Amino acid sequence: NAGVMQNPRHLVRRRGQEARLRCSPMKGHSHVYWYRQLPEEGLKFMVYLQKENIIDESGMPKERFSAEFPKEGPSILRIQQVVRGDSAAYFCASSRRDRAAGEQYFGPGTRLTVT
Amino acid sequence: ILNVEQSPQSLHVQEGDSTNFTCSFPSSNFYALHWYRWETAKSPEALFVMTLNGDEKKKGRISATLNTKEGYSYLYIKGSQPEDSATYLCASSNNAGNMLTFGGGTRLMVKP
Repeated sequence: NAGVMQNPRHLVRRRGQEARLRCSPMKGHSHVYWYRQLPEEGLKFMVYLQKENIIDESGMPKERFSAEFPKEGPSILRIQQVVRGDSAAYFCASSRRDRAAGEQYFGPGTRLTVT
Repeated sequence: ILNVEQSPQSLHVQEGDSTNFTCSFPSSNFYALHWYRWETAKSPEALFVMTLNGDEKKKGRISATLNTKEGYSYLYIKGSQPEDSATYLCASSNNAGNMLTFGGGTRLMVKP
């Protein structure tokens, strides 16, 4: 059973470009979470999605960031018009059930560098 | 306590030493406490999820305890080995939502 997959592992974008980060949850998991780790900081929650629904986006910056988890295919975290401050490691996690007593399984992360 | 806090930030021990570190979390509206082991360039690996006051969990040489009334959890490693070197993260969740709030981690280095 493959774990949580994220791609790309490393992404370099110039200021003003768009970044698309993909996450395929573990088989049988319908709950996806995105977290961000800024340099010298801990993991911070961004958004929680179920298939075709955003459940909690309280940690998402109000502008330029969006997330989706379509019926088919991976979850996508999209950052428009990237700025240097978006440089971070973005981690996706998935779980079989909701409420955070269920284990969340993490992917290896995408390291975004904005030049 | 408003945030999840872990101490110490880093720890160097000799192979064979036993060690422990602390996670403090908000006790109001507590739902669950998670421990993860995170090696560089790899995915954080789930170790334990605990929900009940007094819970104790064990996996091999690693064990954890939970005190929800005072808002802390301890992680113990018995007879540390070099392969235990990693960052150990704790995270809490509350009744309000599904997200995990992470501490800053304890970086453990075990010298052979």
